[in-house]
Amino acid sequence: QLQLQESGPGLVKPSETLSLTCTVSGGSISTTSYYWDWIRQPPGKGLEWIGSFYYSGSTYYNPSLKSRVTISVDTSKNQFSLKLSSVTAADTAVYYCARRGVVTTSHDYWGQGILVTVSS
Amino acid sequence: QSVLTQPPSVSAAPGQKVTISCSGSSSNIGNNYVSWYQQLPGTAPKLLIYDNNKRPSGIADRFSGSKSGTSATLGITGLQTGDEADYYCGTWDSSLSAGVFGGGTKLTVL
Repeated sequence: QLQLQESGPGLVKPSETLSLTCTVSGGSISTTSYYWDWIRQPPGKGLEWIGSFYYSGSTYYNPSLKSRVTISVDTSKNQFSLKLSSVTAADTAVYYCARRGVVTTSHDYWGQGILVTVSS
Repeated sequence: QSVLTQPPSVSAAPGQKVTISCSGSSSNIGNNYVSWYQQLPGTAPKLLIYDNNKRPSGIADRFSGSKSGTSATLGITGLQTGDEADYYCGTWDSSLSAGVFGGGTKLTVL
């Protein structure tokens, strides 16, 4: 059974960089069949797609966040990571990592989510 | 403002049927598969429908999906109190080269 688990600081200061890691177990991230995504959800609001990583090294980012986002991968640890720079209170959200099918575009496996609060 | 448009809320009585709409454009729903997710309070979203109308293993056949042109619909029959949740549609937008979601619909089972 595939499992995804987010980890990282739950509190980040304004203007600093948010850094999260998603550890994948029960399957390899080095697959041609899936993308590995980050999605966030501000408190009481809807889902926002942040970006994707594909095993070939390709990355795709939400145009509204592109200038501040970097997604990278560590295949030796079966992990992928998110960095979001220059954060503000508007970046406070639950951050999810998820697997998305290349053909179906659906997110079939999700992590439990991690709440990141931006505050001084 | 979400790229995909959903009604903020819907409600129906137990045992009844409800539909939730998701409206988009040719760059997203019109040319890509639609997925639907159920999010119970305090939990991660769960995939309900993929490829417009397919159910993952373990999802009850009370849940159904359909797509026509640039709109998609989630149907739920035999409503149960346990179905009370937020429901989201999602797809890929080929013009934005980005994943997109609807704003979510809160289902209340009266």
